[in-house]
Amino acid sequence: QVQLQESGPGVVRPSETLSLTCTVSGDSIRSFYWSWIRQPPGKGLEWIGYISYSGSTNYNPSLKSRVTISVDTSTNQFSLKMTSVTAADTAVYYCARDLGASGYFDYRGQGTLVTVSS
Amino acid sequence: QSVLTQPPSASGTPGQRVTISCSGSSSNIGSHYVHWYQQLPGTAPKLLIYMNNQRPSGVPDRFSGSRSGTSASLAISGLRSEDEADYYCAAWDDSLTGHVVFGGGTKLTVL
Repeated sequence: QVQLQESGPGVVRPSETLSLTCTVSGDSIRSFYWSWIRQPPGKGLEWIGYISYSGSTNYNPSLKSRVTISVDTSTNQFSLKMTSVTAADTAVYYCARDLGASGYFDYRGQGTLVTVSS
Repeated sequence: QSVLTQPPSASGTPGQRVTISCSGSSSNIGSHYVHWYQQLPGTAPKLLIYMNNQRPSGVPDRFSGSRSGTSASLAISGLRSEDEADYYCAAWDDSLTGHVVFGGGTKLTVL
């Protein structure tokens, strides 16, 4: 059974960098694609980006200038960094496995709420 | 404004059949698979339909998906109270460098 678990600070100050990590168990991170998705309170889902099994990345054009996704194969984790955050970045952040870089998320974490506030 | 367009709400009574539409364009639904997610209140979204019309193990056959041209639909037959949730469609979009796009979501109410 594949499991994903997000971890990171629950509060980030405006203009600072949001950093989250997703720990994957039950599958090697050297396969498939690994995505970050977010959902502002009371709003819909937004794809942030993915990192592939080969290490290539692809980001939402609207966030690309502020986002970096990286992978650590030794710990089977992948991470999200988002710079210059504002209140608009307050959301539940999910990590997920994408089977084909197509929005086909078969496994995801339970989500972690990140609030941007001073 | 979402790239994929869904009605914000839908409703039905127990036992009814309800459909939720997802409208896109040639750069997304018209050339890529559509996937559907169910999000029960307070929970993470769950994969409901993948590759237009395939159900993951454990999803009842009351749920079905279809795609035609640049639109897709999710149908729920034999509506039950536990189906009350938000539903999202998703697909790959070829514009710019390519990225995943979601619909804005449809809140289904079981009356």
